[in-house]
Amino acid sequence: GENVEQHPSTLSVQEGDSAVIKCTYSDSASNYFPWYKQELGKRPQLIIDIRSNVGEKKDQRIAVTLNKTAKHFSLHITETQPEDSAVYFCAASKVSGGYNKLIFGAGTRLAVHP
Amino acid sequence: EAGVTQFPSHSVIEKGQTVTLRCDPISGHDNLYWYRRVMGKEIKFLLHFVKESKQDESGMPNNRFLAERTGGTYSTLKVQPAELEDSGVYFCASSSRGGRNTIYFGEGSWLTVV
Repeated sequence: GENVEQHPSTLSVQEGDSAVIKCTYSDSASNYFPWYKQELGKRPQLIIDIRSNVGEKKDQRIAVTLNKTAKHFSLHITETQPEDSAVYFCAASKVSGGYNKLIFGAGTRLAVHP
Repeated sequence: EAGVTQFPSHSVIEKGQTVTLRCDPISGHDNLYWYRRVMGKEIKFLLHFVKESKQDESGMPNNRFLAERTGGTYSTLKVQPAELEDSGVYFCASSSRGGRNTIYFGEGSWLTVV
């Protein structure tokens, strides 16, 4: 079945460093790849997404890259800050006619140390 | 705009008891999803409603789980009888039919079965 692998499971960086989280997906028909950030006790919140017709997307300190051939996509956070500490989930789906079933990775716990 | 709301936020029940979780999606969102996260693992898809119809219930673990969305507004997820392995966080999410199909999550209902 559809599967999304996410690495690493935990990541610890110093404030100001960059953080990279990588995901691979199994279903080549997937066309939508969102990233969610979940702070402790709060709801998962969409921070950035990318569609299969785009290779890279950037929003301030956050960027996502997609390699459709290799079926992997990555989240890059630059100049990390303590408030970036959270669990990050990648997901993949086939969006079709309003139907969007997300398959999630297992999450990466990011800790940014001052 | 109100977000996705879920009730209760936390529930502790004994094995064999019944629990009903409620989700109110964002107003006007036809798509409603239930997901579950068991401790430390990925967020797993349970099912998807389009209005009042079950579009995909392939992720429902077994027949102890029953989801309804009468009238196409709020949804309930009932677990009867609850087992220890049902413990986890149950997330509800919603999205509109058109536009970017962005999925918005609720804060989750934490279920502990003892």
